[in-house]
Amino acid sequence: NAGVTQTPKFQVLKTGQSMTLQCAQDMNHNSMYWYRQDPGMGLRLIYYSASEGTTDKGEVPNGYNVSRLNKREFSLRLESAAPSQTSVYFCATQQGAGYEQYFGPGTRLTVT
Amino acid sequence: DAKTTQPNSMESNEEEPVHLPCNHSTISGTDYIHWYRQLPSQGPEYVIHGLTSNVNNRMASLAIAEDRKSSTLILHRATLRDAAVYYCILRDRAGTSYDKVIFGPGTSLSVIP
Repeated sequence: NAGVTQTPKFQVLKTGQSMTLQCAQDMNHNSMYWYRQDPGMGLRLIYYSASEGTTDKGEVPNGYNVSRLNKREFSLRLESAAPSQTSVYFCATQQGAGYEQYFGPGTRLTVT
Repeated sequence: DAKTTQPNSMESNEEEPVHLPCNHSTISGTDYIHWYRQLPSQGPEYVIHGLTSNVNNRMASLAIAEDRKSSTLILHRATLRDAAVYYCILRDRAGTSYDKVIFGPGTSLSVIP
């Protein structure tokens, strides 16, 4: 089993460009999450999806959109990238409320 | 949501036990105590969780104070691979945060060979 996979691993964007970060899981978990981690900081929740068909804002949703395409896939879109969005982005899954989360390897995004 | 307080950093010698403290003086009766760790350049990984009783698993032990206002993650024999940031997190079974994991800054553990 691959667990949680994220693509791409690295990306460099110019200010104003758009892109979509992809996350897929084969764990049959209901909930999926997107976090960002700035250098030397803890993780901050961007958006999450408690179940297929639902999405909710986290702590720092501005500048992002998400799509829960199906139970396996949860994508994060930056419509107009800004240098402040330079960060490492982690996707995570969770079987249900209160269960532990499993994280992907991360996407390192640089916006110049 | 109730908050946790952890030291910014700690050091340990290899093969010695490590006790990582966490204070959560405003913990509610329905808060579970969870620990995650993040190795360098990796995503976080779940370590252990508990409610009232001490808990053991293959990775660590969790000691919870009788009044639940503090807890300690115990690594029985630190290895170089245990060098990571350790996060202590409260998850309220009765609250909206039960769906989510909210990370604080954590404790950066260094292991000295």
